[in-house]
Amino acid sequence: IAGITQAPTSQILAAGRRMTLRCTQDMRHNAMYWYRQDLGLGLRLIHYSNTAGTTGKGEVPDGYSVSRANTDDFPLTLASAVPSQTSVYFCASSTGGEGNSPLHFGNGTRLTVT
Amino acid sequence: DAKTTQPPSMDCAEGRAANLPCNHSTISGNEYVYWYRQIHSQGPQYIIHGLKNNETNEMASLIITEDRKSSTLILPHATLRDTAVYYCPLRTGANNLFFGTGTRLTVIP
Repeated sequence: IAGITQAPTSQILAAGRRMTLRCTQDMRHNAMYWYRQDLGLGLRLIHYSNTAGTTGKGEVPDGYSVSRANTDDFPLTLASAVPSQTSVYFCASSTGGEGNSPLHFGNGTRLTVT
Repeated sequence: DAKTTQPPSMDCAEGRAANLPCNHSTISGNEYVYWYRQIHSQGPQYIIHGLKNNETNEMASLIITEDRKSSTLILPHATLRDTAVYYCPLRTGANNLFFGTGTRLTVIP
């Protein structure tokens, strides 16, 4: 079934450790996104990529980095995790960055930083 | 970028139509209205979107007022599986959907 795969589904991480959240899509979508979801704050955009080889900062990019080496993969890296990065992380993709282009989401990674 | 406001919660009897409102009074001309829902801890699920005209698909109908300052998502025959949090973010054509905190819809047997 076509869609977005995120890994791991959950992780407990010690503060200061490095962690990469993986995201792969098989829909050949050009644009990909990383959101975090925290109770009472809704979903907030961390980073995005309009096409392979390009990335951009979203609403809450600090402490995170991304890369887009190819169309299918869009990993999110926490270089040195802090407890405030405890959250549920969702990856999404869309055919393009235009307004008439729905986002399709993965099922998330639940990250706890201790 | 425009933001949206929604009631925090609503109930609907099973089999009845669920009408979920969304206010987007500062919407600009090129912003699409989207509707998503989130069940339990799953990822948001796309439902429907529109710019000016009313839209209908197999899941729902979207009614957008003529001035585009508000919209309503209609689930014609709500089932227990429609219990979820519903969001109405706007998409600017740039690179974001601004999700608020949504409406928690509870379908009652």
